[in-house]
Amino acid sequence: QQQVKQSPQSLIVQKGGISIINCAYENTAFDYFPWYQQFPGKGPALLIAIRPDVSEKKEGRFTISFNKSAKQFSLHIMDSQPGDSATYFCAASPSGNTPLVFGKGTRLSVIA
Amino acid sequence: EAGVAQSPRYKIIEKRQSVAFWCNPISGHATLYWYQQILGQGPKLLIQFQNNGVVDDSQLPKDRFSAERLKGVDSTLKIQPAKLEDSAVYLCASSWWGNRGASTGELFFGEGSRLTVL
Repeated sequence: QQQVKQSPQSLIVQKGGISIINCAYENTAFDYFPWYQQFPGKGPALLIAIRPDVSEKKEGRFTISFNKSAKQFSLHIMDSQPGDSATYFCAASPSGNTPLVFGKGTRLSVIA
Repeated sequence: EAGVAQSPRYKIIEKRQSVAFWCNPISGHATLYWYQQILGQGPKLLIQFQNNGVVDDSQLPKDRFSAERLKGVDSTLKIQPAKLEDSAVYLCASSWWGNRGASTGELFFGEGSRLTVL
């Protein structure tokens, strides 16, 4: 019940294309859903996050879509750039001071 | 504002030896986490502190791992004796939670300490 399942494991996208990464969860107590971006040799950094009271959140080229009934959420990267090449992790946690549970990650490569 | 500091960045040890990692969180952050990240996987929580008290250590292998956060600031994670499967990056993170009764939920991670056990 604590798992967050992420797919695909790896993704190759042409420059200017749309990158889509999906996550599914089981624990209905989860109410905070962030995406973290990690470059090699660095720690993960928060990219964008959503709470279940909205179905979509957009920040620049990054959008989270959230489907509460399906217990799924996804990250869309529009106009993907080579600088977006990194590993992306979805995560979730219940409310309160509870730790994040992370997915296994998606390695994104954006090629010119 | 300085980020989360961790040391050492890299450590290579033989199995059954001991190792210690140090973390200095962002100033004022009440909550501190240690995560283990095995190559190709997402971070897995080992222990969560709020100030100098343990909130969650349910996934910490207590027969070999220990952690402390004295005075509610710096923290140390120790492994003794190390096993081959402990080879991983140990990430320290901190967050605001507990300072003012509210939080954005954001975790700020350090760059990690990469452990190789031979």
